[in-house]
Order: sequence, then C-alpha cells, then structure tokens
Amino acid sequence: SAVISQKPSRDICQRGTSLTIQCQVDSQVTMMFWYRQQPGQSLTLIATANQGSEATYESGFVIDKFPISRPNLTFSTLTVSNMSPEDSSIYLCSGGGLQETQYFGPGTRLLVL
Amino acid sequence: EDQVTQSPEALRLQEGESSSLNCSYTVSGLRGLFWYRQDPGKGPEFLFTLYSAGEEKEKERLKATLTKKESFLHITAPKPEDSATYLCAVQGGTASKLTFGTGTRLQVTL
Repeated sequence: SAVISQKPSRDICQRGTSLTIQCQVDSQVTMMFWYRQQPGQSLTLIATANQGSEATYESGFVIDKFPISRPNLTFSTLTVSNMSPEDSSIYLCSGGGLQETQYFGPGTRLLVL
Repeated sequence: EDQVTQSPEALRLQEGESSSLNCSYTVSGLRGLFWYRQDPGKGPEFLFTLYSAGEEKEKERLKATLTKKESFLHITAPKPEDSATYLCAVQGGTASKLTFGTGTRLQVTL
C-alpha cells in the first residue's frame, strides 16, 4: 500500500491570497488526483495530476483557479488561487491507477476569511 | 456519467446489532467498486475493492458484496470503534478517477 502525506495539514488564509498544498507519496503511483470535500459532503474530484503534462480538470474546475503540478511520479502540488470563503474546504490528494487501489492522504483543512 | 447513491444517509446501531449499508451505482464498464472508511478529520481509509458481480470480501466484522447494480457492506456485531462514515466509489471505463457516493454515517452505541 502507498502512504501519502500532505502539507500543510491546515491553514487559515485571507481572501484574495493563494495557498499551495503539497502531496508526497512514498512509492511511485500511476496516477495522482486532487479532491475537495466540503463540510459534511462527500468527495468531489478536482483534477487528475499528469506527470510531465497539464492536469486534466473536471467540469466546474479550471486551471487558473486550481493550478496543479506533478514534476515526478511521487509528488504533486495543488494551488488554490485568489481564495474566497467559498474555497473553505478539505483538500485531499490520492494516488492509484486503473483497477488499482487508490490511497488517500490525510487532507488539508483550509479556512478562508 | 457515473453515479453512486448510498443509503441510508445515517445509521445508528447498538453494539452487536448487525446491519447492512447499500451502494447503488450506474457506470459504463465497471472497473472496480471501492469501499472506504472515513473518520472525522481524516482522509478516507481503504477497506475493499470488488471487481465483478458475485465477488465478496471480508475483513474482521465487515463483509462487502457486489451485484451488477449495487454493493452491500454488511457489518456483523458492530462495536463502537466501527463508528465512522463509510464511502462507496466506482471506477469505470478507461478513467482511473473515482466517483463517490455521499456516504453513510454509522454510529454504534453501547
């Protein structure tokens, strides 16, 4: 199984600023993903982080708001840009592939004031 | 578009009182159905993957089953430490992404 860590674990930010979240996997994984979980809700996929190329975004999420990098097979970052209170959420990173178990990080709790 | 519906939304059991959680799904070409457990303030913890109808998997007090339209997570003689939100997700077609249901919040009391 893969062990996934995220930094920071939580943060409180002012509106209009940006926050970059880091995700590190302890072994190479085929795919990495970023999810958002709003309070009391389930997980919504933001995008698939592709190694060496642009991320693939789901409907309703755009690169300008959530730029993603994946420079190698074990590391990815998600930036939440120009934040508003509506961006307050838990952001989760995961790793896995087709018909592979997808393991999740502990999440980053973001509060935007 | 893949869809996952979980029921009930919340379930309260007494210790030892067995029950089942339901996950109904529609997906184009099921690649896998996943069950996760999520404790408050933590990321989802992997429980099971089921790949084809008729498959069953067990782990301690939990047993997951799969048909062509739904999956059940059976909890036998639950304990308070089984209290958590249980999430179901599907993977379909050629995409590796998961589509999640809204979860079942389970509370087991003494």
